[in-house]
Amino acid sequence: KQEVTQIPAALSVPEGENLVLNCSFTDSAIYNLQWFRQDPGKGLTSLLLIQSSQREQTSGRLNASLDKSSGRSTLYIAASQPGDSATYLCAVRTNAGKSTFGDGTTLTVKP
Amino acid sequence: GAVVSQHPSWVICKSGTSVKIECRSLDFQATTMFWYRQFPKQSLMLMATSNEGSKATYEQGVEKDKFLINHASLTLSTLTVTSAHPEDSSFYICSARAPETQYFGPGTRLLVL
Repeated sequence: KQEVTQIPAALSVPEGENLVLNCSFTDSAIYNLQWFRQDPGKGLTSLLLIQSSQREQTSGRLNASLDKSSGRSTLYIAASQPGDSATYLCAVRTNAGKSTFGDGTTLTVKP
Repeated sequence: GAVVSQHPSWVICKSGTSVKIECRSLDFQATTMFWYRQFPKQSLMLMATSNEGSKATYEQGVEKDKFLINHASLTLSTLTVTSAHPEDSSFYICSARAPETQYFGPGTRLLVL
């Protein structure tokens, strides 16, 4: 059974700082890994999707890496802004299409 | 990009009533859809996999008679919470499977009084 762990559970940083969120998974036989943000009381916003054959994806200030062999992914946020404050979830998808979510990292960026 | 909608976005109902939530893929066909549940301050937990034209597959611990899933067309899956109780209050999110990814709906917040 796939288990997904996200560390840290919460993170508070001053505006402008670069930061890294971590996601680890137990079964490396994945189809893809996806990072989402979720604002309080809202649905999911997809940030980056990394296919199993890829090593990283970039979008603006966000960069996600994937190391299947070690069961790890990181989400790097450059020059953080208060608007980045949200809960960040990683989800690992199997070939059958099921996604297992981590518990998330709640990020607070202070002005 | 592809869009998945859910209706209603929120619902309040009395204990003992049934509530139906719709999940639609708006510009693509999805033979497979997934239903997730999220309790406050917790992550999403997969409830069931909905396959068009066949019975849904439920995750361990999810009561199939309580959470009825119907995937009658390639663009619509419904989740019916039967005889809802306060402990069923949660945020329900569906997703539709596409070849390269899956798209998530905006969620339905259910409050059972």
